[in-house]
Amino acid sequence: AQSVSQHNHHVILSEAASLELGCNYSYGGTVNLFWYVQYPGQHLQLLLKYFSGDPLVKGIKGFEAEFIKSKFSFNLRKPSVQWSDTAEYFCAVSETNAGKSTFGDGTTLTVKP
Amino acid sequence: DAGVTQSPTHLIKTRGQQVTLRCSPKSGHDTVSWYQQALGQGPQFIFQYYEEEERQRGNFPDRFSGHQFPNYSSELNVNALLLGDSALYLCASSLSRKNTEAFFGQGTRLTVV
Repeated sequence: AQSVSQHNHHVILSEAASLELGCNYSYGGTVNLFWYVQYPGQHLQLLLKYFSGDPLVKGIKGFEAEFIKSKFSFNLRKPSVQWSDTAEYFCAVSETNAGKSTFGDGTTLTVKP
Repeated sequence: DAGVTQSPTHLIKTRGQQVTLRCSPKSGHDTVSWYQQALGQGPQFIFQYYEEEERQRGNFPDRFSGHQFPNYSSELNVNALLLGDSALYLCASSLSRKNTEAFFGQGTRLTVV
């Protein structure tokens, strides 16, 4: 069975600091990888996705993630965070045939102005 | 273009009662998945519907059932409610093809008292 592990439960940063959120998954087959963001009071929104090709994926709002197959990792990065990035971030993995997604437990990011 | 819409937004039920939650997928999508998100956790996959049939199911008891209609909308039914069923229930829609992303609704907050 698939599982997703997000290493940091709560991260607190000051504005302009760099961000890296860890995500590791366990599944031996070919996977699709996602990062979702949930702003306070809003629904889950897709930040970025990896299906195949270049392992460095760029998403919205300056976020990027790198798929390292050998490490089963898909870490999220942003060079300089803003107060508006305060939200909960979820890593998810699914099999390539549009099946169910397995989510991590999320990382709450708080950015201090 | 309407996104995924869910109703109702909030619901309070008593233990032992039954509840029905509704979801309209994003325009053009034919697959609907349901997730349960308990407080402090990531979404957990309940089941997925395509062509009016349940295609995949997560580790949830038979008290959780669903339906998909010809217009692709879907219902989630939960019987014999338990206190532990209190959660945010998310609907996600997608296309039934390889390498596709899911779009999430705002969710229905169910409280069982």
